[in-house]
Amino acid sequence: DTGVSQNPRHKITKRGQNVTFRCDPISEHNRLYWYRQTLGQGPEFLTYFQNEAQLEKSRLLSDRFSAERPKGSFSTLEIQRTEQGDSAMYLCASTEDGGREKLFFGSGTQLSVL
Amino acid sequence: GESVGLHLPTLSVQEGDNSIINCAYSNSASDYFIWYKQESGKGPQFIIDIRSNMDKRQGQRVTVLLNKTVKHLSLQIAATQPGDSAVYFCAENEGAGRRALTFGSGTRLQVQP
Repeated sequence: DTGVSQNPRHKITKRGQNVTFRCDPISEHNRLYWYRQTLGQGPEFLTYFQNEAQLEKSRLLSDRFSAERPKGSFSTLEIQRTEQGDSAMYLCASTEDGGREKLFFGSGTQLSVL
Repeated sequence: GESVGLHLPTLSVQEGDNSIINCAYSNSASDYFIWYKQESGKGPQFIIDIRSNMDKRQGQRVTVLLNKTVKHLSLQIAATQPGDSAVYFCAENEGAGRRALTFGSGTRLQVQP
């Protein structure tokens, strides 16, 4: 499968714990995006990378959230001191550079904070 | 801020009929629009896109229409099949150098056999 891969698919955690998600984009794609989606809503933009540079962050990305893409390939999204309001599907997407905005999404990581 | 929205949360059609899903957008600076299909437990899947210098684009069984005058976007699905049942999202790129898509809240399409 050469699509966008996300791990884990599901994560259940207790409030206050830290969690980390991983995204492996399509190999030739140098732009990588993180979105969050709650039930019945469209995905909400969190942040994006061009290669290893984090170029834009949404105001939704509080200081408890941090994303990295150290070598310009895979990316991690960490949430510290999780809250029940963080429960959502976290989606990763990638695309080629060169002005193309068509994003290819992974299947997401479903986070449940108890 | 400005956002993309949809008129109908749920659309129910008979198998074989044509479906039309509508979307209103409010940012006149948006220069690119895209429709995604999302099935339960999966990420959004690209269907078709259109740039603001076009008013119609056709794909396989799907057509997207863009009316910039009234800021309206629609997705037409011909001969709707049970496999078309999903939630459909329109999304826009708001231009001005932004690289992220802004999504609407979705329309659920239910295809009755």
